[in-house]
Amino acid sequence: EPEVTQTPSHQVTQMGQEVILRCVPISNHLYFYWYRQILGQKVEFLVSFYNNEISEKSEIFDDQFSVERPDGSNFTLKIRSTKLEDSAMYFCASSSGTVGEKLFFGSGTQLSVL
Amino acid sequence: DQQVKQNSPSLSVQEGRISILNCDYTNSMFDYFLWYKKYPAEGPTFLISISSIKDKNEDGRFTVFLNKSAKHLSLHIVPSQPGDSAVYFCAASGNYGGSQGNLIFGKGTKLSVKP
Repeated sequence: EPEVTQTPSHQVTQMGQEVILRCVPISNHLYFYWYRQILGQKVEFLVSFYNNEISEKSEIFDDQFSVERPDGSNFTLKIRSTKLEDSAMYFCASSSGTVGEKLFFGSGTQLSVL
Repeated sequence: DQQVKQNSPSLSVQEGRISILNCDYTNSMFDYFLWYKKYPAEGPTFLISISSIKDKNEDGRFTVFLNKSAKHLSLHIVPSQPGDSAVYFCAASGNYGGSQGNLIFGKGTKLSVKP
């Protein structure tokens, strides 16, 4: 069964450093998402991406965050200057449609900001 | 702002018995409700969904019930198996306002099924 893959599985960085989290969505999917889960809290929506542009973003997704689909397969989340509170598990997801369509999630990247 | 609420952080059930996981929501614009299951160190995996025009959807051992007037849904697992032990997330989506159908998750309920 096709799956969403994320790299790296763990990322440790110093506060103020830039990080790039990488994702390879399922190949025929058109909608891409980033979610995050801070330890002990719920899974939170960050951003959705369709047709090479952001279609929706949450208030968490401020100017420090950006997403890109640099080629036909990768989907990246960049955090420009990491803060301690960015420490979380970041999940990439993709789907073939919009409302009601189930999302397929990757295994996540655990980001630790020291 | 908790649009989707799972008020029970944990649930323990004996193998073979029924597990009932509950979820409440506040936004009447939600059109679809989904349940995801999550094992440690893995991403959420889709389990079952229901459209707001239905009140029940069944898939094998899993049934989701939707009560729109009460803004409440529940997931029933019968019979429960030890392999069902995981965190279960309720999620909702709707095509309203600027929303493009992104999922709003509850905080999750950790289900433990004891042999």
